Amino acid sequence: EIVLTQSPGTLSLSPGERATLSCWASQSVSSNYLAWYQQKPGQAPRLLIYGASSRATGIPDRFSGSGSGTDFTLTISRLEPEDFAVYYCQQYGSSLTFGGGTKVEIK
Amino acid sequence: HLQLQESGPGLVKPSETLSLTCTVSGASISGSSYYWGWIRQPPGKGLEWIGSIYYRGNTYYNPSLKSRVTISVDTSKNQFSLSLSSATAADTAVYYCARPGSSGWFPFDSWGQGTLVTVSS
Repeated sequence: EIVLTQSPGTLSLSPGERATLSCWASQSVSSNYLAWYQQKPGQAPRLLIYGASSRATGIPDRFSGSGSGTDFTLTISRLEPEDFAVYYCQQYGSSLTFGGGTKVEIK
Repeated sequence: HLQLQESGPGLVKPSETLSLTCTVSGASISGSSYYWGWIRQPPGKGLEWIGSIYYRGNTYYNPSLKSRVTISVDTSKNQFSLSLSSATAADTAVYYCARPGSSGWFPFDSWGQGTLVTVSS
């Protein structure tokens, strides 16, 4: 099973700042099948990124994904008030596993 | 417009079987090649994939839950279901059903609202 480790656990930033979230895989993710989700309290997760770098339908271009192999990054170029949430990475190259999440909170 | 809705008991006794159903509207389960999934989230914790079912009935399970999980599909009712046997307090979670954004093995981009299941006597 591929284990995904996300860092940091919590990121304290102000609106307008840049957020950089990391996701490391215990082994190489096949075909860079890595996705990112956003989850707000009381809501289901929302797909942001798939295939490591492709934005899902309707996702603003301030969200971008990069990386390959075992190291992946989600970048939010300028944080909007609605971006403060928990973010999860997920690999779907070998079965399916989620990372433990990164909380982006208002500083 | 695709909608998924989970339903089932909100309280299950320890050692009993947890059973949930996902009703799909706005799309036919048998109409396209999707892997319909179940995901859960214990209170205050992260997401865990439980398993997925192909519209033809092929199933794929999380290895850590495989011995206790059964996912089935009823195309006549446009529903798919989850059974988790020998429930314990560790199975207390919000359970989501979901569908990928594209046919084939793909991330989930349509989710139900989730239903909280508590395992307690």
